[in-house]
Amino acid sequence: GAVVSQHPSWVICKSGTSVKIECRSLDFQATTMFWYRQFPKQSLMLMATSNEGSKATYEQGVEKDKFLINHASLTLSTLTVTSAHPEDSSFYICSARGAGVMGAQYFGPGTRLLVL
Amino acid sequence: GDSVTQMEGPVTLSEEAFLTINCTYTATGYPSLFWYVQYPGEGLQLLLKATKADDKGSNKGFEATYRKETTSFHLEKGSVQVSDSAVYFCALRGLTGGGNKLTFGTGTQLKVEL
Repeated sequence: GAVVSQHPSWVICKSGTSVKIECRSLDFQATTMFWYRQFPKQSLMLMATSNEGSKATYEQGVEKDKFLINHASLTLSTLTVTSAHPEDSSFYICSARGAGVMGAQYFGPGTRLLVL
Repeated sequence: GDSVTQMEGPVTLSEEAFLTINCTYTATGYPSLFWYVQYPGEGLQLLLKATKADDKGSNKGFEATYRKETTSFHLEKGSVQVSDSAVYFCALRGLTGGGNKLTFGTGTQLKVEL
C-alpha cells in the first residue's frame, strides 16, 4: 500500500520555541492531507485539513496561528507548532489521501512532541 | 455530531482465542464504517471497511458487519495470533465536513499471549 512518512518521529524542545513536523507521501500524490492530535488513551482528534496549494481548514477550537500548516506540494505538508508550551506535548499524526473524496486515506507513523 | 464509541482496553487473550471488539456509532445518514489497526511504531493501516447496511468487511481473518439497526460495527476474529497484538480503531466517515472527515473511537489495545 501507499506509504506516508513523518519526520521527526520524536522531538523534545524548550518552551517558547517552534517545532516543524514534516509529512510526506512517498509513492502517490496527496491532494488532501490531514493533521491529527492524539492524547494518551484518547481518540485521534482532527486538527486541520489541507488541500495542495490552498489554506488549511482548521477544526473548531484549533488555533490557526499556533499550528501553522503548509501544503506546498502534492507530496509534502508541514505542521509548525509555534511558541510551544508544555500543554502542546502530544502525539501528532498526519494522513494523506489521493484524488477524490472517497479515496483511500493513509497514515503516517506519528511524531511524539515533548515540550519542557 | 458524529461519534464513535468502542470498548476500552487493554484486551488480553490467549493465542487461538475468539476476539470481539465492540464499536457503536452515532451519525446522521448512512456513514461508511472502518476498522484501522496500528502496530507498534507504525502508522494506522486500514484493516477493513463497509459502506452500507448489512455489508460485511473482511481482511486477514477479521470481520465486521455494518448493523444499522443497532448502529454497530463490531470487530471479530475466530482465532487470534500473537502477531495480531496492536491497537484497533473504529472509525466512520459521515456527512460532516462534506464527507471529508474521519471520526475515530479511542482505540482498543489487544494483547495476545502464547
